[in-house]
Amino acid sequence: EAQVTQNPRYLITVTGKKLTVTCSQNMNHEYMSWYRQDPGLGLRQIYYSMNVEVTDKGDVPEGYKVSRKEKRNFPLILESPSPNQTSLYFCASSLLGGSGYTFGSGTRLTVV
Amino acid sequence: DQQVKQNSPSLSVQEGRISILNCDYTNSMFDYFLWYKKYPAEGPTFLISISSIKDKNEDGRFTVFLNKSAKHLSLHIVPSQPGDSAVYFCAAKGQGAQKLVFGQGTRLTINP
Repeated sequence: EAQVTQNPRYLITVTGKKLTVTCSQNMNHEYMSWYRQDPGLGLRQIYYSMNVEVTDKGDVPEGYKVSRKEKRNFPLILESPSPNQTSLYFCASSLLGGSGYTFGSGTRLTVV
Repeated sequence: DQQVKQNSPSLSVQEGRISILNCDYTNSMFDYFLWYKKYPAEGPTFLISISSIKDKNEDGRFTVFLNKSAKHLSLHIVPSQPGDSAVYFCAAKGQGAQKLVFGQGTRLTINP
């Protein structure tokens, strides 16, 4: 089944404790992206990647890092999480030139 | 700067009636528009799209209308069913761009 898989689905952590949210897709998509969803703000892009080893900032990149060492994986790294990073995170992928994204099921992160 | 706006955070409609969800955009470079549907604890899923060369696209009970001069699009659901209760996101992208810009979302509730 074609899908984008995120882990974990839920995570509660403390301020300053480094964490990684994994994202993997099995559709051979070149483009991958991370979004966060917040009430009243919709989905905002954090980082994106056009292909292996090619990443760039989205609209709200502060406090996040990403890497793209393999085509299928695009982890999101929070080096020192803060409470304002409490949010619902979605990974998405698409073919380059494709019209829409396939989204993962989301990761609800709470930073206390 | 919110380039894609959904000004109604919520909408309640009687089962069997028409649901109309609205979306406005400010960037005249956008030339492709999509609607995504999101259920709780799931990622957004693609619903319907429209290119700027069209003013209407229909898929079963779902029709999207695009008014380029007003920079406005709408999603019509006829007839509305209880399973349509979800959050709907409007999204847009520019020609040759990969990034989707999302609106804030509208929560649609279909009442029996």
